[in-house]
Amino acid sequence: EAQVTQNPRYLITVTGKKLTVTCSQNMNHEYMSWYRQDPGLGLRQIYYSMNVEVTDKGDVPEGYKVSRKEKRNFPLILESPSPNQTSLYFCASSLDGGGSYNSPLHFGNGTRLTVT
Amino acid sequence: SQQGEEDPQALSIQEGENATMNCSYKTSINNLQWYRQNSGRGLVHLILIRSNEREKHSGRLRVTLDTSKKSSSLLITASRAADTASYFCATDPSGNTPLVFGKGTRLSVIA
Repeated sequence: EAQVTQNPRYLITVTGKKLTVTCSQNMNHEYMSWYRQDPGLGLRQIYYSMNVEVTDKGDVPEGYKVSRKEKRNFPLILESPSPNQTSLYFCASSLDGGGSYNSPLHFGNGTRLTVT
Repeated sequence: SQQGEEDPQALSIQEGENATMNCSYKTSINNLQWYRQNSGRGLVHLILIRSNEREKHSGRLRVTLDTSKKSSSLLITASRAADTASYFCATDPSGNTPLVFGKGTRLSVIA
């Protein structure tokens, strides 16, 4: 089944404890992206990747890192999480960036992160 | 950067009625997409309309695009309780630029 898989689904951690949220897609998509969703603020892009070894900052990249060593995986790393990073996180992928090639995004089911 | 803005923020209707949501955006686009999100779940793509198209249908969904007004509308006909969700528009401000999402319209369909 074509899908984007995020893990974990729920994560509670403490300030400063490094964590990684994994994201994997099995559709051979070029483009992958991370979003956070907060009440009243909608979806905001954190980082995106147009292809392997190519990553770019989105609208809210501070406090996050990503890597794209393989096409299928795009982990999100929080080196020193803080309470303001408590949010619902989504990974998404598409054949391209949704631009001139007109590809829809496929989303994972989300990771609800709480930082205390 | 927020490109699309949905209106209304929230909408409550009776089952069987039609629901209309609007999206306005600021810059020229290549395409506009609509997504649905059930509570706390990932977004699901509904429909994509290209800048040279004016109307598109998919089942009970009808999307229109008016590039002169920089706006789009999503019409859900004969709504069902299962249509209760948040609906987002997403625009591609220029070629090869990531999609930008609006804040969404929360639709409640009451049985």
